Amino acid sequence: AQSVTQLGSHVSVSEGALVLLRCNYSSSVPPYLFWYVQYPNQGLQLLLKYTTGATLVKGINGFEAEFKKSETSFHLTKPSAHMSDAAEYFCAVSETNAGKSTFGDGTTLTVKP
Amino acid sequence: EADIYQTPRYLVIGTGKKITLECSQTMGHDKMYWYQQDPGMELHLIHYSYGVNSTEKGDLSSESTVSRIRTEHFPLTLESARPSHTSQYLCASRQGAGTGELFFGEGSRLTVL
Repeated sequence: AQSVTQLGSHVSVSEGALVLLRCNYSSSVPPYLFWYVQYPNQGLQLLLKYTTGATLVKGINGFEAEFKKSETSFHLTKPSAHMSDAAEYFCAVSETNAGKSTFGDGTTLTVKP
Repeated sequence: EADIYQTPRYLVIGTGKKITLECSQTMGHDKMYWYQQDPGMELHLIHYSYGVNSTEKGDLSSESTVSRIRTEHFPLTLESARPSHTSQYLCASRQGAGTGELFFGEGSRLTVL
């Protein structure tokens, strides 16, 4: 069975500050891990993904995430927040590349001027 | 840019009406999914399909039904809508053998009065 826990349903940062969104997963096999972003009244869009290989993954809009097997974590970071980063962020896990994905409950990121 | 389309984007209807939410993708993906998204953001898988004439119920029980007669088309139907069906419905697809990311439509927001 697989599961995802996103710590913090709401995160607020100042523009230019570090963004850190936390995600912990549970999986019985090596996981595929994803971060998606959702803007208001839109569907979800892939930010980045980890499948195999390098554990530090870079995505779009300056975001990156690091897969840490020992901590079962896949936290999302961005060095400097921009107002346009305000959105909902979802972490997801899949136990195969074609199976069902399980999503976390989401984190709302607010960026203050 | 994902080529997956949902119509209607917004729908307000009265109780007891039959509705169909359309979802089409032009990417040739075998696997398609319907998620229900609560106002609190959580995504719940309600239906999925791994190919033509294949449909399965997801993790969240739903009174809706789906069909998959053509690869590119995965409509969702509610025979008799109720206020409890008010939600956002997201359609997604993925390749059968790829890196596992989901491609989402922009969603259909349903309000039942």
